Amino acid sequence: AQSVTQPDIHITVSEGASLELRCNYSYGATPYLFWYVQSPGQGLQLLLKYFSGDTLVQGIKGFEAEFKRSQSSFNLRKPSVHWSDAAEYFCAVGGNNDYKLSFGAGTTVTVRA
Amino acid sequence: GAGVSQSPSNKVTEKGKDVELRCDPISGHTALYWYRQSLGQGLEFLIYFQGNSAPDKSGLPSDRFSAERTGGSVSTLTIQRTQQEDSAVYLCASSATGVSYNEQFFGPGTRLTVL
Repeated sequence: AQSVTQPDIHITVSEGASLELRCNYSYGATPYLFWYVQSPGQGLQLLLKYFSGDTLVQGIKGFEAEFKRSQSSFNLRKPSVHWSDAAEYFCAVGGNNDYKLSFGAGTTVTVRA
Repeated sequence: GAGVSQSPSNKVTEKGKDVELRCDPISGHTALYWYRQSLGQGLEFLIYFQGNSAPDKSGLPSDRFSAERTGGSVSTLTIQRTQQEDSAVYLCASSATGVSYNEQFFGPGTRLTVL
């Protein structure tokens, strides 16, 4: 069965500091990995995705993520956070010809001035 | 262009009443998904449509939940005899085709409160 674990429920970071959100997955075949962001009262927006190739993927809003097969991880990073990055972040896993995505429980990011 | 829209944005109902939640996917998207997001939880998959067919209803919590899709477009999620544990945000998503490498585009959700 596929599953996603986001170990950090809540992270507080100062504006301008770096951010790293952890994601570990379990999937029986080659995974497709996604990070979504949800701002208050909004739907989910795709930040980035990994299917194959370069294990470091760039996304929107200055985010990047690194796929590490040996660690079953797909951690999200941003070098310098802005107050507008305060939101909830979800990691998700799917696979080739697999319509369903499995989502983690999410990590809430608070940005302090 | 227009994204996924959902209505109503908020719904407050009394325990035991029936509710209908509507989703308008992006035009031309053949795949449609319903998820439930409870407080402090991730997204729980409910049902998947490919066209008007629902090949996977495995996530529906009970037989009080049903969904349909007509014309390969609009979908309605119906909850009969609502219970307090049904309170959640119900999210709809659509994608161009029903494979996971196609991005799922999400609507803003319907917040359901059962009193």
